[in-house]
Amino acid sequence: KNEVEQSPQNLTAQEGEFITINCSYSVGISALHWLQQHPGGGIVSLFMLSSGKKKHGRLIATINIQEKHSSLHITASHPRDSAVYICAVRVDYGGATNKLIFGTGTLLAVQP
Amino acid sequence: NAGVMQNPRHLVRRRGQEARLRCSPMKGHSHVYWYRQLPEEGLKFMVYLQKENIIDESGMPKERFSAEFPKEGPSILRIQQVVRGDSAAYFCASSPRTDEKLFFGSGTQLSVL
Repeated sequence: KNEVEQSPQNLTAQEGEFITINCSYSVGISALHWLQQHPGGGIVSLFMLSSGKKKHGRLIATINIQEKHSSLHITASHPRDSAVYICAVRVDYGGATNKLIFGTGTLLAVQP
Repeated sequence: NAGVMQNPRHLVRRRGQEARLRCSPMKGHSHVYWYRQLPEEGLKFMVYLQKENIIDESGMPKERFSAEFPKEGPSILRIQQVVRGDSAAYFCASSPRTDEKLFFGSGTQLSVL
């Protein structure tokens, strides 16, 4: 079993829909990242959070440390949101390392 | 302020050759991370470096792979005697501190013939 699990693996939505992508992890962490990877490979860091909720434009990320779960929400989705969304956790080894463990990603396609 | 710069964008090597991948972090960032994305697989951590020091190389194969981040110049990921299984996208990221958001380069796509 992977230490970081994402669901769903694939998601197709109509433009304007509210989208939720989930991430569950089984290790102790010090932070969680949400990343976006477009076709062609470029990776953009959307959020880094260790508690609560963050919002940037139409994107909202939440984390529940006790339940070891995070969600990424996209409001009023648009075809340009089509990408792979990746959850990654920074494992809390108690040391100086900044090693990330990645989920396998959620492929989102937003249709006009 | 330029972003994280990786070059080359695409690199083709024959089996047995050496591959050198370069990463220039964002200005002011002293922490560099290398990740590998194999075809149809997720990203995997390889190595974490600060200037002149390797902090964590637990994700790096023990043989043929090495990384450095010298006092001057870019970070280099070096793969000696490449094999077909090394074909992958290699991403570099940087941050100013360990508890800061990461900034990724565009990646180097390595193809081994």
